[in-house]
Amino acid sequence: GAVVSQHPSRVICKSGTSVKIECRSLDFQATTMFWYRQFPKQSLMLMATSNEGSKATYEQGVEKDKFLINHASLTLSTLTVTSAHPEDSSFYICSARDKGRGPGTDTQYFGPGTRLTVL
Amino acid sequence: GNSVTQMEGPVTLSEEAFLTINCTYTATGYPSLFWYVQYPGEGLQLLLKATKADDKGSNKGFEATYRKETTSFHLEKGSVQVSDSAVYFCALSDVGTGRRALTFGSGTRLQVQP
Repeated sequence: GAVVSQHPSRVICKSGTSVKIECRSLDFQATTMFWYRQFPKQSLMLMATSNEGSKATYEQGVEKDKFLINHASLTLSTLTVTSAHPEDSSFYICSARDKGRGPGTDTQYFGPGTRLTVL
Repeated sequence: GNSVTQMEGPVTLSEEAFLTINCTYTATGYPSLFWYVQYPGEGLQLLLKATKADDKGSNKGFEATYRKETTSFHLEKGSVQVSDSAVYFCALSDVGTGRRALTFGSGTRLQVQP
């Protein structure tokens, strides 16, 4: 149980285009999802917190108009990188918080990540 | 604010050696503490966690004890295997704001040689 999927796993795009990344919790409901960015050989940096049915909360320094987050349902959050540029190339990882009862309560489960390369 | 400090890697060990990866934290409240593992080319997987002082998390032979007095959560394993080669991240939950976002350490790469 507690599986989080991301799609696509890899994407290569031209500079100036927009890319949408999906994050799904497959077997639990996630009212809160998080988006992280990981640079090579570095740790994960939180970009934003996505709450179902409301606007995302962005971390300081993250452009909300560039990284659009939509959390349309209890199992799906999307991150759209608008007008992507080479400096946006990175590994984007989502996680979902299992709000259910039991051992999974308050534990975050991570997706496998999406590697974005902007040419 | 909250922060997590991990020992720098890479850590290189021979198979069956004892492993310790140090982790210390600063937090404003009473965080939950986690160890995540990232195998090559994969996403993060929860390895173990502890939610209050003196709790011991354990999984797959790995252990870590939540030490409030030393603000530490060191990861240990008595006998490592080649398959344990991965990057290990210590993290805490952000209880201060209630958003439950995780604050990660910088990660420690473990390389186990046969």
